[in-house]
Amino acid sequence: EIVLTQSPGTLSLSPGERATLSCRASQSVSSSYLAWYQQKPGQAPRLLIYGASSRATGIPDRFSGSGSGTDFTLTISRLEPEDFAVYYCQQSGSSPRTFGQGTKVEIK
Amino acid sequence: EVQLVESGGGLVQPGGSLRLSCAASGFTFSSYSMNWVRQAPGKGLEWVSHISSSSSTISYAEPVKGRFTISRDNAKNSLYLQMNSLRDEDTAVYYCARGLGGYDYWGQGTLVTVSS
Repeated sequence: EIVLTQSPGTLSLSPGERATLSCRASQSVSSSYLAWYQQKPGQAPRLLIYGASSRATGIPDRFSGSGSGTDFTLTISRLEPEDFAVYYCQQSGSSPRTFGQGTKVEIK
Repeated sequence: EVQLVESGGGLVQPGGSLRLSCAASGFTFSSYSMNWVRQAPGKGLEWVSHISSSSSTISYAEPVKGRFTISRDNAKNSLYLQMNSLRDEDTAVYYCARGLGGYDYWGQGTLVTVSS
């Protein structure tokens, strides 16, 4: 099983600041199958990034994904008020498909 | 408009069974892989099961293997999850989600509570 470890657990930032979220895999992950999701309280997750670096439909360009192998990064270039949420990475290249434990981006 | 609507959740005693359904609309259901993902109260996301578009490939998370069965009916645009031998730790919101490399559409979720 590929274990995804996200860091930090919580990120305290102010609107306008840059957020950098990390997702580290216990084994190499095919970039084609690494995704990032955003989840707000009481809502279903929302796909942000697929294929490690491709933005999903309707996702603002302040969100970007990068990385390969075992190290992946989600960057939010300038935080907007609506970006404060929990973010998950997921690999679906091998079974069982797994999620990271999440990073909470909170207002400082 | 793509829509996924789950149903079938509720309160069940340990050892009991439930069958979840996910009704799909707004896209060609038979062309897409589908998944079940759950989220225990206050916890993170946990992938549960995957089924390919033609049902030829099916996989399960270890905690549910042998107890849960995923299936689909492409003629009815529906996805199912038969859950048997339910345990307290199966309590969660269950989401159906479309996709393979990234789950681009999700339902609103249905709550399953396992408690005596």
